[in-house]
Amino acid sequence: SAVISQKPSRDICQRGTSLTIQCQVDSQVTMMFWYRQQPGQSLTLIATANQGSEATYESGFVIDKFPISRPNLTFSTLTVSNMSPEDSSIYLCSVGGHRGVSGANVLTFGAGSRLTVL
Amino acid sequence: DAKTTQPPSMDCAEGRAANLPCNHSTISGNEYVYWYRQIHSQGPQYIIHGLKNNETNEMASLIITEDRKSSTLILPHATLRDTAVYYCIVRIDSWGKLQFGAGTQVVVTP
Repeated sequence: SAVISQKPSRDICQRGTSLTIQCQVDSQVTMMFWYRQQPGQSLTLIATANQGSEATYESGFVIDKFPISRPNLTFSTLTVSNMSPEDSSIYLCSVGGHRGVSGANVLTFGAGSRLTVL
Repeated sequence: DAKTTQPPSMDCAEGRAANLPCNHSTISGNEYVYWYRQIHSQGPQYIIHGLKNNETNEMASLIITEDRKSSTLILPHATLRDTAVYYCIVRIDSWGKLQFGAGTQVVVTP
């Protein structure tokens, strides 16, 4: 399966600033997704990162707050803009469009980027 | 995708089998049952999936009832490293996104 590297792994940010998270995959993948996991909560899908076009955002998430780039089939970035303490979360990159050994249509996840906003 | 219901938490003794239930009474005929788990400070990891038949791999077994309205993930010999949140997800076989519910927090104790 694909190997995903996320940077930074963690960061402490000041209120009002923006931070860009990078997701690098070791192979070309069709689908890339960004998730948020707030403290003690499950994962919530932010958006699907589309190569060569604008990302598709889920309800409750907007491009101005979470701009996403996907310049090619192995790389994507998520920016968290104008951060507030409520944005303190783990942000995870996920890739799909490939089948695991079992033949399952699986998603592979990065380890996540833990952001703390003061 | 069909909604699933899981118990919020379970305890399991090390070396014993852990049986994790999942209800999915509104599952459609073309929807699969997937299980993922998330160990603390890691991203979710695929475990197993099935459509109708029971499935087994090196990690776990999946038992799906005949009416497909519920399933059970079995960890045959739980170890401390199996402590994680386990997510049951029902979806069609597509390249698309996953929607996660609350999952079951499993704690394996010595």
